[in-house]
Amino acid sequence: EDKVVQSPLSLVVHEGDTVTLNCSYEVTNFRSLLWYKQEKKAPTFLFMLTSSGIEKKSGRLSSILDKKELFSILNITATQTGDSAVYLCAVEGGSASKIIFGSGTRLSIRP
Amino acid sequence: DVKVTQSSRYLVKRTGEKVFLECVQDMDHENMFWYRQDPGLGLRLIYFSYDVKMKEKGDIPEGYSVSREKKERFSLILESASTNQTSMYLCASNLYSNQPQHFGDGTRLSIL
Repeated sequence: EDKVVQSPLSLVVHEGDTVTLNCSYEVTNFRSLLWYKQEKKAPTFLFMLTSSGIEKKSGRLSSILDKKELFSILNITATQTGDSAVYLCAVEGGSASKIIFGSGTRLSIRP
Repeated sequence: DVKVTQSSRYLVKRTGEKVFLECVQDMDHENMFWYRQDPGLGLRLIYFSYDVKMKEKGDIPEGYSVSREKKERFSLILESASTNQTSMYLCASNLYSNQPQHFGDGTRLSIL
């Protein structure tokens, strides 16, 4: 059965800290891995990764994929209170090229 | 910017009612999706559609049906609502597979 597992489930850090969120997967016919940020409403797209070892970067956020070990990490440096959200990892693949979501990591940044 | 609009943010219905959730996208996307999101379970795919009048079952289609009569509109139907269908429902769309999905703001549905 295809699955995506995120860890930790929740995380509380102080403003300015660096955090690393983890996503491991077991998905047949892997096509891509995506990260989303969800505050109170719609998940918003952060990154899509298809190749191992190539870091994607956007401001203080970065992500990398390891297709051999079947995982990805999302790093956030110099965290701010606006980074508080649920971060979702999703993998496209499987028998019908569906997207399988992890259960998310709830990140809380304390001022 | 892609806009995915869900018709209601909050909805309260009674057990046994037929419930319609509507979703409209404005970017001529081929694919549309319905998910439900529950604490600790993440997003689970109910149904998706890759073309007008086409539909495919996702992981949890039981108790739901969908309709896509026009490319921009994808409706989720709860044939006879039950309390275990109380959840947040999210609609999404993308142009093609292997493209990021764009999400609506969600409908928080309560079945009493």
